[in-house]
Amino acid sequence: QKEVEQNSGPLSVPEGAIASLNCTYSDRGSQSFFWYRQYSGKSPELIMSIYSNGDKEDGRFTAQLNKASQYVSLLIRDSQPSDSATYLCAVKGTGGFKTIFGAGTRLFVKA
Amino acid sequence: GAGVSQSPRYKVAKRGQDVALRCDPISGHVSLFWYQQALGQGPEFLTYFQNEAQLDKSGLPSDRFFAERPEGSVSTLKIQRTQQEDSAVYLCASSPEGTGYGYTFGSGTRLTVV
Repeated sequence: QKEVEQNSGPLSVPEGAIASLNCTYSDRGSQSFFWYRQYSGKSPELIMSIYSNGDKEDGRFTAQLNKASQYVSLLIRDSQPSDSATYLCAVKGTGGFKTIFGAGTRLFVKA
Repeated sequence: GAGVSQSPRYKVAKRGQDVALRCDPISGHVSLFWYQQALGQGPEFLTYFQNEAQLDKSGLPSDRFFAERPEGSVSTLKIQRTQQEDSAVYLCASSPEGTGYGYTFGSGTRLTVV
């Protein structure tokens, strides 16, 4: 079992729709959770961080955390073609200093 | 500087050659990380520095990989006797405090070993 798992996609949604990206993690004691966006050929960019159960909203983005289910999600409302990218889920676990990244979900937003 | 700066942006090395990759983090950032990203994969942890102290090097794949941050700012990742499997993008990231916070990544160094 991978430590951080994501559906590789691609996930394709029409412009203006809600895109839902999901992630599960194996380290039950994890406390810090992140979503990064990575455009093709570019480096990851932090878009959301969440530390407690529930929802956290920032503009069109909402991160959701359920520690009991070991599940993190990212919702993108009013999806735009410029949102087309790979979204990386990342988790800071209890072992050591590292943040562990999933393999990413590719999102395509069709105009 | 305003962001994390990495150089060179691209590096082509012949198999067996030594390479050195440089990272200049955001000024004042205590934490510095190196990650390796293969095509189509997420970044994989290599090593972590808190100021000048290398506190975790568990992700370095072999003893051919060596990293340093002697004055707690600029860091260098050195790969000796490069092999084809070392071909990847090497990402440097920094954060202002501890390890439980999000990172700012540099633009990466794409290493191709031929």
